Amino acid sequence: EPEVTQTPSHQVTQMGQEVILRCVPISNHLYFYWYRQILGQKVEFLVSFYNNEISEKSEIFDDQFSVERPDGSNFTLKIRSTKLEDSAMYFCASRARENTEAFFGQGTRLTVV
Amino acid sequence: QKEVEQDPGPLSVPEGAIVSLNCTYSNSAFQYFMWYRQYSRKGPELLMYTYSSGNKEDGRFTAQVDKSSKYISLFIRDSQPSDSATYLCAMSGSRGAGSYQLTFGKGTKLSVIP
Repeated sequence: EPEVTQTPSHQVTQMGQEVILRCVPISNHLYFYWYRQILGQKVEFLVSFYNNEISEKSEIFDDQFSVERPDGSNFTLKIRSTKLEDSAMYFCASRARENTEAFFGQGTRLTVV
Repeated sequence: QKEVEQDPGPLSVPEGAIVSLNCTYSNSAFQYFMWYRQYSRKGPELLMYTYSSGNKEDGRFTAQVDKSSKYISLFIRDSQPSDSATYLCAMSGSRGAGSYQLTFGKGTKLSVIP
């Protein structure tokens, strides 16, 4: 069964360092998302991406964040200068069309020390 | 008022019980409703997806949507210890930008006791 895959599963980084989280969405999907979940809190929307551009972003997704689809399969989230409060689980999701089911990856646990 | 309200529990039931999980929402633009199951430190796993008001059944799971009351439910019949997890409701609808981002409830933690 097709699935969204994310790497790495766990990343530890020092405050101020750049991190890149990677995702491979389901192959025929067109809409891509990043969400995050701080421990014990709800899953929060960060950004949506369609047709090689950001379609919507939340207040959380400030200038420190960027997304890219460098080739036909990968979808990345970059955090330029990590802060302690960026520590969270980051989930990638994809949808075939805008109003269909969203499938999530297993997440990357980011720990900023 | 929060967009999506979900009782966080925890909810503890004996094996074989019928479980009822609920969410209320305030944004009438929401049109698509999903239930996800999430095990600790794992990604949300899609259980049910519904569009219109009414019921949808899949095995032991039934999803119910009442758009007039802005209320959705997930019922689990014959609950099993393996159903122990956090259940998240999520919903989306046109926000004009067309991204159909999901808005999640906080999740209800369910424990099914053997």
